[in-house]
Amino acid sequence: QVQLVESGGTLVKPGGSLRLSCEGSGFPFSDYYLNWIRKTPGRGLEWLSSIRPGGGNTYYADSVGGRFTISRDNARNSLYLQMDNLRAEDTAVYFCARGTQTLVRGVQMYYHYYGLDVWGQGTTVIVSS
Amino acid sequence: IMMTQSPLSLPVTPGEPASISCRSGQSLLHTNGYNYVDWYLQKPGQSPQLLIYLGSNRASGVPDRFSGSGSGTDFTLKISRVEAEDVGVYSCMQVLQTPYTFGQGTKLEIK
Repeated sequence: QVQLVESGGTLVKPGGSLRLSCEGSGFPFSDYYLNWIRKTPGRGLEWLSSIRPGGGNTYYADSVGGRFTISRDNARNSLYLQMDNLRAEDTAVYFCARGTQTLVRGVQMYYHYYGLDVWGQGTTVIVSS
Repeated sequence: IMMTQSPLSLPVTPGEPASISCRSGQSLLHTNGYNYVDWYLQKPGQSPQLLIYLGSNRASGVPDRFSGSGSGTDFTLKISRVEAEDVGVYSCMQVLQTPYTFGQGTKLEIK
């Protein structure tokens, strides 16, 4: 069964740090771009960050760049989001989602995008004193 | 890239059609001919789910009453006949370039 499972959400004080995890199963984890997205109370979905299959390239939303760090450990089928200097406005449900699939044939890499087609169940982060 | 959806609230009678518009601040048409816009639905109490990718491609398992259309900067999600299970918040998302951005979301409710 193809799935992503997030963990690590909790109550944290403003200025604090937290590390979220997302474990994948049922698919070749190391072949996919992975993303973090959040849903804040009263606001819509917000894309936060993305990471290439090999982990070498990372991308961030302006709202979290410099405070959040995405990483992955393909040997553990795990994606992470290190969140530092947390603010009240970071209170949200955080989701990981699967993105572009990469395929290597010989020396050529191919990219196949079929949407963010697998999402985790979400983990809740509350930033409050 | 700014994504602007309308309407933000959409009450619909079951069996009737529904349409949601999404406008982007710049063209989402890639040189490969695909429009890099997706549509997602977040039902109450659930994670978001993919409905449409690259403008008009229905995701696996999505009923054929859902369709996506448009090109460039103007996109539309249509539901041919709304069912009670379609309630939730619909969001468009551009994936042409990072930072990826979502529209504000359209809340569909049943009359």
